[in-house]
Amino acid sequence: EVQLVESGGGVVRPGGSLRLSCAASGFAFGDYGMNWVRQTPGKGLEWVSGINGNGRSTGYTDSVMGRFTIARNNAKNVLYLQMDSLRAEDTALYHCTRNYFGSGTYYNPPGYWGQGILVTVSS
Amino acid sequence: QSVLTQPPSASGTPGQRVTISCSGTNSNIGSNYAYWYRQLPGTAPKLLIYSNNERPSGVPDRISGSKSGTSASLAISGLRSEDEANYYCAAWDDSLSRPVFGGGTKLTVL
Repeated sequence: EVQLVESGGGVVRPGGSLRLSCAASGFAFGDYGMNWVRQTPGKGLEWVSGINGNGRSTGYTDSVMGRFTIARNNAKNVLYLQMDSLRAEDTALYHCTRNYFGSGTYYNPPGYWGQGILVTVSS
Repeated sequence: QSVLTQPPSASGTPGQRVTISCSGTNSNIGSNYAYWYRQLPGTAPKLLIYSNNERPSGVPDRISGSKSGTSASLAISGLRSEDEANYYCAAWDDSLSRPVFGGGTKLTVL
């Protein structure tokens, strides 16, 4: 069974940093592209960042480019999202997601989702 | 403002068939596969349809998807109370180089 469990969220002041982690199990982690997708009541679902299976190709939505960094440790089956220079508009529930197909790329909508971890940016 | 357009709400009575539409453009639905998800309050989205009309294992065949041009549709037949949820569509967008989502449709079973 595919399991994705996020951790590392919380409350942080504007300009602060957080590192999200996603522990993956139940599949061959390195064979799949992974993404972070955030969800808010106002903006709905928004793709944040993606990384291919071997970690050599990454992508970011414009609003987080230069502030967020996605990474993965295939030996430990963990996906990360380092979030720096956080802004109020980054407040959201962040979902770790896995592509449905084991092609290694992240160039598809998600297949599996974690429950999400809440990030609140507030002074 | 979501890239893909869905009606904010839909409804039906038990046993009925309902459809939910998802409108996009040539750069997303028009040239890539449509995906559909169901989300119950407080839970993670669950994949219902991938590649326009394929169901993952465990999704009943009363749930189906279709695509025509730049629009996709999700159909649920034999509506049940447990189908009451939020439904989202998604597709890869070649111009934006990222997956894009619809704003969601809240399905109410009357």
